[in-house]
Amino acid sequence: KAGVTQTPRYLIKTRGQQVTLSCSPISGHRSVSWYQQTPGQGLQFLFEYFSETQRNKGNFPGRFSGRQFSNSRSEMNVSTLELGDSALYLCASSLDVSPYEQYFGPGTRLTVT
Amino acid sequence: AQKVTQAQTEISVVEKEDVTLDCVYETRDTTYYLFWYKQPPSGELVFLIRRNSFDEQNEISGRYSWNFQKSTSSFNFTITASQVVDSAVYFCALIGAGGSYIPTFGRGTSLIVHP
Repeated sequence: KAGVTQTPRYLIKTRGQQVTLSCSPISGHRSVSWYQQTPGQGLQFLFEYFSETQRNKGNFPGRFSGRQFSNSRSEMNVSTLELGDSALYLCASSLDVSPYEQYFGPGTRLTVT
Repeated sequence: AQKVTQAQTEISVVEKEDVTLDCVYETRDTTYYLFWYKQPPSGELVFLIRRNSFDEQNEISGRYSWNFQKSTSSFNFTITASQVVDSAVYFCALIGAGGSYIPTFGRGTSLIVHP
């Protein structure tokens, strides 16, 4: 069974730009969560989607948004990028909504210059 | 508010040593879930275990074992006879079932196993 895939794996953007990251969950998994990982703040939960609906949201500004499609694939978008948005963005999928165990993708390394 | 503390930032051991990674949590929820994940250098977190707050039985899986003690709000992880492949960052996480179901992760413990 294929694991969680994330594209792109690496991305370099300039301050003020926007970015869209993509995540394909494990086949059969209906929940997708997004996390931001930085050396300073550690692993922080962004949001969780299930059946195309946002179920939970972490404490991030509205510049961070996401969506889920009918095939469970998910995208997250960050608008008006700031230097502090440089991070590893991890996507995780699970069979059902939290608190099911999650299976993580390799992440997208975003660098904002 | 929820909190997970992994006080050990980095642990260095020699292969075949036993090592325990500590995890202390805080939550007001009576129902909650605890997790351990492993993040090898490749970056992809790997799920290791999930326990709910009503199940205090310790668990053993091969060289891995977990000690859950509600009295001390701890969920410690022991690796017996460590191997170089165990080198990774290990995260403890908590999800409270009192409302938001938002995961809270500890800062992680970096385990380095020397040959």
